[in-house]
Amino acid sequence: EVQLVESGGGLVQPGRSLRLSCAASGFTFDDYAMHWVRQAPGKGLEWVSGISWNSGSIGYADSVKGRFTISRDNAKNSLYLQMNSLRAEDTALYYCAKGVGSSLVLYYFDYWGQGTLVTVSS
Amino acid sequence: EIVLTQSPGTLSLSPGERATLSCRASQSVSSSYLAWYQQKPGQAPRLLIYGASSRATGIPDRFSGSGSGTDFTLTISRLEPEDFAVYYCQQYGSSPRGTFGQGTKVEIK
Repeated sequence: EVQLVESGGGLVQPGRSLRLSCAASGFTFDDYAMHWVRQAPGKGLEWVSGISWNSGSIGYADSVKGRFTISRDNAKNSLYLQMNSLRAEDTALYYCAKGVGSSLVLYYFDYWGQGTLVTVSS
Repeated sequence: EIVLTQSPGTLSLSPGERATLSCRASQSVSSSYLAWYQQKPGQAPRLLIYGASSRATGIPDRFSGSGSGTDFTLTISRLEPEDFAVYYCQQYGSSPRGTFGQGTKVEIK
């Protein structure tokens, strides 16, 4: 059974940093691209970032480019999101999502975690 | 930049009825690279349809997707109680990839 478990969310002041983690199990982690998708309270879904199986290809939404950094550790079956210079508008539930192939060609997601909540407020 | 517009915003129907949800793109979606997701309150989204019309693993055949170019449709042939949820379309063929629509809520009438 595929499982994705996010952690690392919390309350943080504007301008500060936070690092999210996603622990994956139930599939061959290093065969697939992985993504972060967020959902602001009461709002829709927004793709944030994606990374190919070998970290050779990485993409970011314009809204986070230059502030967020995605990475993965295939030996630990883990995905990360380093979020710097956080803003109030980054407040959201952050989902870890499994891609459907090894590359970033197809940006749709067949499994999702339950999310970790990030609140940016003073 | 491609924008997806879903309609209606809310659909009020009774169990057993047919639901028709629309997703319109501001420009043509490459290779029918369009997906549909279902999200229930307090839960993560679930993939229903990819490639505009292919059902994901384990998805009942009452869910079907159709369309191409700029107009796509998700149809639920007979609504079951567990189908009342929010549905999102997503395009993954054009830049910026991974764009979602704003969602359609299917509620019990």
